[in-house]
Parts: sequence; structure tokens; C-alpha cells
Amino acid sequence: DGGITQSPKYLFRKEGQNVTLSCEQNLNHDAMYWYRQDPGQGLRLIYYSQIVNDFQKGDIAEGYSVSREKKESFPLTVTSAQKNPTAFYLCASSPPGRALDAFFGQGTRLTVV
Amino acid sequence: AQSVTQLDSHVSVSEGTPVLLRCNYSSSYSPSLFWYVQHPNKGLQLLLKYTSAATLVKGINGFEAEFKKSETSFHLTKPSAHMSDAAEYFCVVSVAPYGGATNKLIFGTGTLLAVQP
Repeated sequence: DGGITQSPKYLFRKEGQNVTLSCEQNLNHDAMYWYRQDPGQGLRLIYYSQIVNDFQKGDIAEGYSVSREKKESFPLTVTSAQKNPTAFYLCASSPPGRALDAFFGQGTRLTVV
Repeated sequence: AQSVTQLDSHVSVSEGTPVLLRCNYSSSYSPSLFWYVQHPNKGLQLLLKYTSAATLVKGINGFEAEFKKSETSFHLTKPSAHMSDAAEYFCVVSVAPYGGATNKLIFGTGTLLAVQP
């Protein structure tokens, strides 16, 4: 079955460490997105990629980095520069230019201690 | 600028009674509007979407929403709440800041629906 897989579901890291969240899709979508969710704030766009080897900053890109070496994969690295990394992270994918047809993964809850 | 406002952060209803989750939007363009549902520690599931066709949109699980341009609203309703409806609901507007080349989703802050037995 086609879908988006985020792993791991729960992730714990020590303060000051970089951590990479995985997002894989087999929907043959060109576009992929990363969102951060905090209580009472909805979802905010971190980075998005419309095509392989290209990506753009979203609204809250500071302290994050991404890569898009393969169509199926869009990993997100939360760096030590991100001041408040503890959050729920959601990955999504869609056909190019059609974020309105986005499919979402099940999310990764990152806790930094 | 495009934005979406969910008027209630928490709504509590009794099982079997109607549900109303309110959403107002602001958009310079003809918007596409969505409602998503999220159960605890889960991803988002699309309930329904409006993309300039019929103004009354029917979704999954008995939910529907009506697009009212004059009121800039897209409220979500269900005639009879079920315990399994307890979740967080997000109203979303889709915008195309680059003239349609790139779509972007703008999320509301969410409404937590509690259903009492």
C-alpha cells in the first residue's frame, strides 16, 4: 500500500545533540514537507521540497536542515541551534504544486532532555 | 495575507448531540479550505475539502462543512456526536503565494473536541 512512513515514532535526545528524523514515501509524489506541531499553535511549515535536490525554507526553518537526494526520502535534522526542539513533527507529501492534496505521516514526537 | 482562525480552542458535547466547530478565513484569492482530524499522537486525516465547487461539502464519518463567502466562514458540523469523534480538528486554507506554482497550507490552531457519554 502507498503511504508515508515516519520513524521513529518517539525519539529522545540530550540537549545539544543533532538528531535526524526520517520520512519516506512510496506515493511517487514530487513534493514533500516538514511541519512542526506545538500545543495550541497548529502546524507550522519548517521546510518543503518540490523536486529532488531542491528545497526551500518554510516559516520556521531556523535550527533545522534537510536534504532531498532521493524522491522517496526527505530527512529532517534538528540541530543544536534549534532553541526549543521538543515537539511533534509531521511529514507530508503531495503531487507538485498541489499541497492541497497532501498526505501526512503518523508523526515523530521528539523530546530533548 | 492569508490566515485561518478557529474560534474555539475546546468544545465539549454530549454523545448524540450536534457538533459545531467554527472556522473563519482570510484570503486574497479564492481559497481552498480543508478540515483535518488528528487523534492523540497520530498523523492528520483529511475529513473534507472545498475547492470552489459545491459550497456544502460532505466528508467522512458524517461530517460536513459549508463555505460561506459573505461570512468568510467554513464551519464544521455533524448532526450527532460519537465517542470516537473525540480528537483535535484543524481548519486549513491553501494559498498559492507564487501565482499557483507552489501551494502552501496554513493551519489554524486547532479545536479539541471532547465527547461526554
